[in-house]
Amino acid sequence: GPKVLQIPSHQIIDMGQMVTLNCDPVSNHLYFYWYKQILGQQMEFLVNFYNGKVMEKSKLFKDQFSVERPDGSYFTLKIQPTALEDSAVYFCASSSGGGAETLYFGSGTRLTVL
Amino acid sequence: GDQVEQSPSALSLHEGTGSALRCNFTTTMRAVQWFRKNSRGSLINLFYLASGTKENGRLKSAFDSKERYSTLHIRDAQLEDSGTYFCAAEGTNTGKLTFGDGTVLTVKP
Repeated sequence: GPKVLQIPSHQIIDMGQMVTLNCDPVSNHLYFYWYKQILGQQMEFLVNFYNGKVMEKSKLFKDQFSVERPDGSYFTLKIQPTALEDSAVYFCASSSGGGAETLYFGSGTRLTVL
Repeated sequence: GDQVEQSPSALSLHEGTGSALRCNFTTTMRAVQWFRKNSRGSLINLFYLASGTKENGRLKSAFDSKERYSTLHIRDAQLEDSGTYFCAAEGTNTGKLTFGDGTVLTVKP
């Protein structure tokens, strides 16, 4: 079936550095999402993105976070600067529509901030 | 790898009735989550279980790690319950989150 690819699968950085998480969504999808899961806790919604704009974001989507998808390439989540509490697994998802269409998830990027 | 089989893929209910969604796992999972996709396409957390059952309003979820399944029960369904529901399970050894394919629930008058 359709696949969402996330690169890299694991990233380790020092606190205060910038990090960019990359997501290669399903090719004809138009809606993109990021979710965050801290170890042992439930996965939480961060942001959704459509037509070059953030449509909805949660309280977890701090000012240090930004998303973009320049020219139909990777859908990215940038954190600048990173903090210790940003350590988590970040999941990307995409869908063809914003309604009842199913979401396709990547396998996640584990971010470790030291 | 870990697999999650979610059923049914689609479910139609009349208002006031109830049913259950189910996710079967191919391996032992340490926790399961249930979500509902909202009108903007974002996933809203319904339940997070490491064991046992939880209830919230007309929804109830159960997770049996040993028997490798989880269920989401909906009772007294309302029109606004219509939407797509997902389960996701954490692998015991990997901690990796694996998602079911979703259930599209339609509640009719």
